[in-house]
Formats: sequence, structure tokens, C-alpha cells
Amino acid sequence: DTAVSQTPKYLVTQMGNDKSIKCEQNLGHDTMYWYKQDSKKFLKIMFSYNNKELIINETVPNRFSPKSPDKAHLNLHINSLELGDSAVYFCASSQDLGPSREQYFGPGTRLTVT
Amino acid sequence: GENVEQHPSTLSVQEGDSAVIKCTYSDSASNYFPWYKQELGKGPQLIIDIRSNVGEKKDQRIAVTLNKTAKHFSLHITETQPEDSAVYFCAAPNAGKSTFGDGTTLTVKP
Repeated sequence: DTAVSQTPKYLVTQMGNDKSIKCEQNLGHDTMYWYKQDSKKFLKIMFSYNNKELIINETVPNRFSPKSPDKAHLNLHINSLELGDSAVYFCASSQDLGPSREQYFGPGTRLTVT
Repeated sequence: GENVEQHPSTLSVQEGDSAVIKCTYSDSASNYFPWYKQELGKGPQLIIDIRSNVGEKKDQRIAVTLNKTAKHFSLHITETQPEDSAVYFCAAPNAGKSTFGDGTTLTVKP
């Protein structure tokens, strides 16, 4: 009965590789997000999607490409991984784009680039 | 865009004491202010929120106060317990995204 799930939980890879992180929510929400949390715990939004459409792209390098095949899924593909991409990536969802909506976060994917 | 400042960045208290974390925001159009708790190895989880039409909201040992004129809101935890140890984030959602504060690491010493 997990609300927001992400796979994998841990990802260790070398510089220059391409990797993907998958996210699924079973809450029936319209809106999904990707956040990056760095080593200082700062939480920064990367993308938001509403009904499979990109709404926000917070000046993220175009090596990062989100894809939403349907409302319940938002995947993140990263090309040519760099050391600075090492972080914990969180997927989240909310009922819709309304500003007073609670966001439900997944457990995170810890990406380590060596 | 919205700018959210959160203080302090770290807070250490003795079990049973109170803890207060403060946030200021810049966009006067913001009208919803949530607080999230992130335990080690987990994603953030909403613990309390407040809307701009009220000045205070309580839920057992936690409370949030809002001063719209001064554009700041605070999280108050009373009778702290070791399980309150976590990172706490304030947020000011606006225009379809949430701007989070930089987080406060709260440590409750037994």
C-alpha cells in the first residue's frame, strides 16, 4: 500500500554513464515532482508535471530528462552523469497544482557518481 | 520568485524542553505554509500546516504560528522527545511549486 515508490533506492555509477530512476504513485494524484537533496540537506525542486505535462523546469541541465508515461508515473533519466549529480533524488506527488496541497514524498534514491 | 529563509540550521535541546524554528518568506501572495519532518533515510512528511486566514494552529505537541504582516511563520514543539530528532523544513508553495527552507536539524538529547 505504498503511496509513492521509487526504484532503485541506491544507485552507484561512474561518471559519463546514463541512468534512470523510476517513480510511481498510487494516490490518484494529478501532479508529480522531482526534487534534489544535496549533502547539506537542501531540498530543491527540479521538475513538476501535471496530467503528464511539464509545468516547471527549474533551470536543470538538459542532461536530466523527465518522462511521464501516465499520471501515475514520473521517471527521471540522466545522461552523462557528473560528480556533482551525486545527491538524493525524491519523487513527490500532490492532488493537483493547487498551492495548498500536501506533497507526498517517496523514500528517495541515493545516487553516487564516482 | 519566492524566497524562504529558515533559522536556525541546527538546534539541540534537552528532552522535555521546547523547540522553535522560524521561517520568513518574501511573496506576500503566499497563503499556505506547511512544515515537513524528514527522518533519517526517509522522505519529508507533512506534520502541520497553516493557511493565511488563521494565526495559529495546534496539533498535540506541535503548533504553527503565522504573522502575515511580518511575513514569518514558526514551528513550536513542546515537551520534546528523542523521536522528534529529525530535519524540519518549512515551505511556501506558490505558482505550482514549493520553495523549501534550507532545513533545521533538531537533536533532542535524552
